[in-house]
Amino acid sequence: DGGITQSPKYLFRKEGQNVTLSCEQNLNHDAMYWYRQDPGQGLRLIYYSQIVNDFQKGDIAEGYSVSREKKESFPLTVTSAQKNPTAFYLCASSTTGFMDGNSPLHFGNGTRLTVT
Amino acid sequence: SQQGEEDPQALSIQEGENATMNCSYKTSINNLQWYRQNSGRGLVHLILIRSNEREKHSGRLRVTLDTSKKSSSLLITASRAADTASYFCATDGDSGAGSYQLTFGKGTKLSVIP
Repeated sequence: DGGITQSPKYLFRKEGQNVTLSCEQNLNHDAMYWYRQDPGQGLRLIYYSQIVNDFQKGDIAEGYSVSREKKESFPLTVTSAQKNPTAFYLCASSTTGFMDGNSPLHFGNGTRLTVT
Repeated sequence: SQQGEEDPQALSIQEGENATMNCSYKTSINNLQWYRQNSGRGLVHLILIRSNEREKHSGRLRVTLDTSKKSSSLLITASRAADTASYFCATDGDSGAGSYQLTFGKGTKLSVIP
């Protein structure tokens, strides 16, 4: 079945450590996205990529980094510079990027990161 | 960036009743989308309505869009316990530099009591 796989589902890290969240899609979508969701909040865009080897900052990119070396993969690294990293992280993809607003997003089931 | 706002924040109804959720936004849009999220899971796309459309149906879902009032509503008819979830609207307003970023509201948490 086509879809988006995020791993792991739960992740625990000590403060000061970098951690990388995995996101893989087999939908042949060009665009991929990372969102952060906090309790009682909507989704906030961290980074997005409309094509391989290109990505753009979203609203809350500080303390995060991404790469897009392959069409299928868009890993997110949460660095020690991120002040409040504990959150639910959602990866998504779409056939085309934000410039075509008619493309619905397909989401993975998220990674819940806890940093202590 | 602009954000849609859902209303109410939480809604509790009996199975079989209809559920109505509203979304208001601030700037002009090309389209508006509704998503559903079960607890601890990713979002699932429900329906997309374009700015030149006024109403759209999909199964038990009915979405309306009033661009003059910058608002949309999602109606779920004959609700079931399985409809219990959070519902989000997402709009594609201009986030600057010609990029139409999709932004999400905070959601309406729907509880359907059997």
